[in-house]
Amino acid sequence: DQQVKQNSPSLSVQEGRISILNCDYTNSMFDYFLWYKKYPAEGPTFLISISSIKDKNEDGRFTVFLNKSAKHLSLHIVPSQPGDSAVYFCAASGDQGTGGSEKLVFGKGTKLTVNP
Amino acid sequence: KAGVTQTPRYLIKTRGQQVTLSCSPISGHRSVSWYQQTPGQGLQFLFEYFSETQRNKGNFPGRFSGRQFSNSRSEMNVSTLELGDSALYLCASSRGGADTQYFGPGTRLTVL
Repeated sequence: DQQVKQNSPSLSVQEGRISILNCDYTNSMFDYFLWYKKYPAEGPTFLISISSIKDKNEDGRFTVFLNKSAKHLSLHIVPSQPGDSAVYFCAASGDQGTGGSEKLVFGKGTKLTVNP
Repeated sequence: KAGVTQTPRYLIKTRGQQVTLSCSPISGHRSVSWYQQTPGQGLQFLFEYFSETQRNKGNFPGRFSGRQFSNSRSEMNVSTLELGDSALYLCASSRGGADTQYFGPGTRLTVL
């Protein structure tokens, strides 16, 4: 049972336009969401996160929106640049009260291609 | 501040062998998590260690084990390797609690 879903395996966008990557989740216990960017043969790089007490978080060109009632989040990249071309993973975690990091549950990723 | 480091970066083993992978977290981070990435399954959680104690474990067989040392460095061991264990193994560290996890470059394991 996939708890975090990224339904678009790929997305192609023109340079300068907006890229919108979507993510849906099923577990209502998730309360912290993250986006990672990954190049081939490298580890994921943290981009931006959002707590369930917020509905929006911005960091430069990156904005994440969270709709808790729909169990949906999205990552907006504006303006998109060719260097943004990578695989983007959505991840979620829930408070397990163990004092350690909560495990991350990942979506299967969306490959973004930004064309010059 | 140095990032998460993993050694070795690449490894080739044959079925039935065992392998040990190493992870050094970011200085000051006490939590280390391990993930397996395969084309079919994506990124899957293996286990997490905090202050030398395993806090969480994913749905992997007992052939996958790990440990954490007092300096927060962690090792992951896979025994009796199978072809399906070929994957990118990623380590992530954080301060613990609801803190962002930062990933290392991974170890690419190929089982022949």
